[in-house]
Amino acid sequence: GAGVSQSPSNKVTEKGKDVELRCDPISGHTALYWYRQSLGQGLEFLIYFQGNSAPDKSGLPSDRFSAERTGGSVSTLTIQRTQQEDSAVYLCASSSRVGTYEQYFGPGTRLTVT
Amino acid sequence: AQSVTQLDSQVPVFEEAPVELRCNYSSSVSVYLFWYVQYPNQGLQLLLKYLSGSTLVKGINGFEAEFNKSQTSFHLRKPSVHISDTAEYFCAVYSGGYNKLIFGAGTRLAVHP
Repeated sequence: GAGVSQSPSNKVTEKGKDVELRCDPISGHTALYWYRQSLGQGLEFLIYFQGNSAPDKSGLPSDRFSAERTGGSVSTLTIQRTQQEDSAVYLCASSSRVGTYEQYFGPGTRLTVT
Repeated sequence: AQSVTQLDSQVPVFEEAPVELRCNYSSSVSVYLFWYVQYPNQGLQLLLKYLSGSTLVKGINGFEAEFNKSQTSFHLRKPSVHISDTAEYFCAVYSGGYNKLIFGAGTRLAVHP
């Protein structure tokens, strides 16, 4: 079946603009995660959705970052008033959270703030 | 809190040589451990995982890892690498209390001809 998809694959934006990044998880997966990967760095956890539970937002770096997940499926990560330090690859992952704890990753969105 | 330490940021190796990428984690009651690989400009792909049972875990592309509880390690090994193994490798631990994977900083494996 289809894997996790993300769009756009690349996004260039001017400092101060808002951006929206989209993630389509694997069908039936109840858990969805957003990570940020800055150049040469590891993965930084941002936010986690599990079913209808309140999301775990503990990793969001500032109040300019927000995310929502509609209908338990598609998720959108929004960054308001982008800054140059927001430039990174944003990765989405989904998990069935049934027994394996394995996360399946999308290809990422490369965000460049100029 | 859980944490993962990848001891080498870069590992250069010649083709057909063996390689070991080291990973240590902070101890916890229940530990689920993973190795992911990231090829250039791609997302992460699962190489192998340890949930329970045999401490020697075999994964894709000829990789294997050994869970060592006493040393809190989960080192990744391959007896003979190929040029195509050049990638970034991430060790991760599942933190049940936090419901998320905690990743190491990554090890860049560079295979030279």
